Amino acid sequence: DTGVSQDPRHKITKRGQNVTFRCDPISEHNRLYWYRQTLGQGPEFLTYFQNEAQLEKSRLLSDRFSAERPKGSFSTLEIQRTEQGDSAMYLCASSSLTPWAGTGDLTGELFFGEGSRLTVL
Amino acid sequence: EDKVVQSPLSLVVHEGDTVTLNCSYEVTNFRSLLWYKQEKKAPTFLFMLTSSGIEKKSGRLSSILDKKELFSILNITATQTGDSAVYLCAVDRTGSARQLTFGSGTQLTVLP
Repeated sequence: DTGVSQDPRHKITKRGQNVTFRCDPISEHNRLYWYRQTLGQGPEFLTYFQNEAQLEKSRLLSDRFSAERPKGSFSTLEIQRTEQGDSAMYLCASSSLTPWAGTGDLTGELFFGEGSRLTVL
Repeated sequence: EDKVVQSPLSLVVHEGDTVTLNCSYEVTNFRSLLWYKQEKKAPTFLFMLTSSGIEKKSGRLSSILDKKELFSILNITATQTGDSAVYLCAVDRTGSARQLTFGSGTQLTVLP
C-alpha cells in the first residue's frame, strides 16, 4: 500500500501519560499535515511541514503538543501529560507541490491517512 | 475566523433517492472549496471548486459553487447504500498551504 500510513491506529492511555503517533506520508510528497477530528466534527488543522521545516502551527496546538519531521520523511506527533480533552482522531495527510491542473494552485490534493484514535481515560 | 456550516447535519434516504447537501462559508481570501467523503476512516477527495457556476461532475455526484452567495451544494442522484458516509466541506485560503477549514459534515444514510 503506497498511501499515507499512521501508527498506532488506536491508543488508550491514562490521563497524564505521554503518547506518540507516527505518520508515514506518500513517499514523494513534500508537505505533511496533522489534523485532529473529534466526534461529530470535521477535522481541525494542527500543523504542517514542508520537508523537515514546520511552517505553521495552529493555536489549537498547545505547549503539550510537539510535532517533528526530522528527515523530511515520516513525522511524529507527541502529546505530553494527556488530558481527557485530547481524546480524538489524529489524522495525517500529505501532498505534493504539483500544481492543480489549470488552477495555478501550488499545492496538490491532500491524501489522508486512516488516523490514530486516542482515548484518554 | 474562517467558518464553514453544513446542512443538514444528517439525512436518511432510500436507495434511488436524490439528495442535496449544503455548505455555506465565510473565509478571508477564498481560494477553493473542497468536498470529501469519509466512511469511518480517511476522508477521500471528491471535488475542488474555485469558480462560480461551473458544475463539477463525477458519476452520480455533482457539485457547484456560488461565490456571490458563499455556498456550495453537493448532489447525489440515484443513491446507493455505498454512498452512506459523512460528507465534509472545507475551504482553503489564497496563500495557504492547504490548512483547510472543515465544516462538521453531513451524515448521509442510504437505506436499501
